Amino acid sequence: QQQVKQSPQSLIVQKGGISIINCAYENTAFDYFPWYQQFPGKGPALLIAIRPDVSEKKEGRFTISFNKSAKQFSLHIMDSQPGDSATYFCAASIRGSTLGRLYFGRGTQLTVWP
Amino acid sequence: ETGVTQTPRHLVMGMTNKKSLKCEQHLGHNAMYWYKQSAKKPLELMFVYNFKEQTENNSVPSRFSPECPNSSHLFLHLHTLQPEDSALYLCASSQVSGNTIYFGEGSWLTVV
Repeated sequence: QQQVKQSPQSLIVQKGGISIINCAYENTAFDYFPWYQQFPGKGPALLIAIRPDVSEKKEGRFTISFNKSAKQFSLHIMDSQPGDSATYFCAASIRGSTLGRLYFGRGTQLTVWP
Repeated sequence: ETGVTQTPRHLVMGMTNKKSLKCEQHLGHNAMYWYKQSAKKPLELMFVYNFKEQTENNSVPSRFSPECPNSSHLFLHLHTLQPEDSALYLCASSQVSGNTIYFGEGSWLTVV
């Protein structure tokens, strides 16, 4: 059973538009929700992360929205740029577990057209 | 130079071969990890090493054998692999008490 479900699988957005990627989880023991960005030929890199004690976290054009009651969180990329074209993974980890014990979504391939 | 370096970047091996993947981290971290990334499944954690000691084996078949001689180096020894083992193998590192994992660029493995 997949612990973290991510959608959509692929996303095409016009330059300047808003990209939205959604993730859902079931395990209420999750307490750390990072997003990773992966460019072709590269390993995933941490983009932004949130803990469930806040409902939103913003870093530049990237925002995580977190809905604890719905067990959902999403990544919003404002003013999307062609350089944002990459695969994005949401993830979650369980309170007190090994840091590397991350449950990943299947990824969303984002393409931003100029 | 990236913080986590993996070699080789690409490897093709037969099912009867023995090969090894190497990972080195230059970040002063004390935890290292092997992940498997394939097209059909989400990123999967394979092994965890904290302070050179293996602390987690995520039900990985014995044809994958990790080795961590020190906190900076991690190996994945491969033998008698199957075609379905073809994937991108990612090494990562972190501080044991940290909150960020740093990934290498991965080793693309093709088993023929």
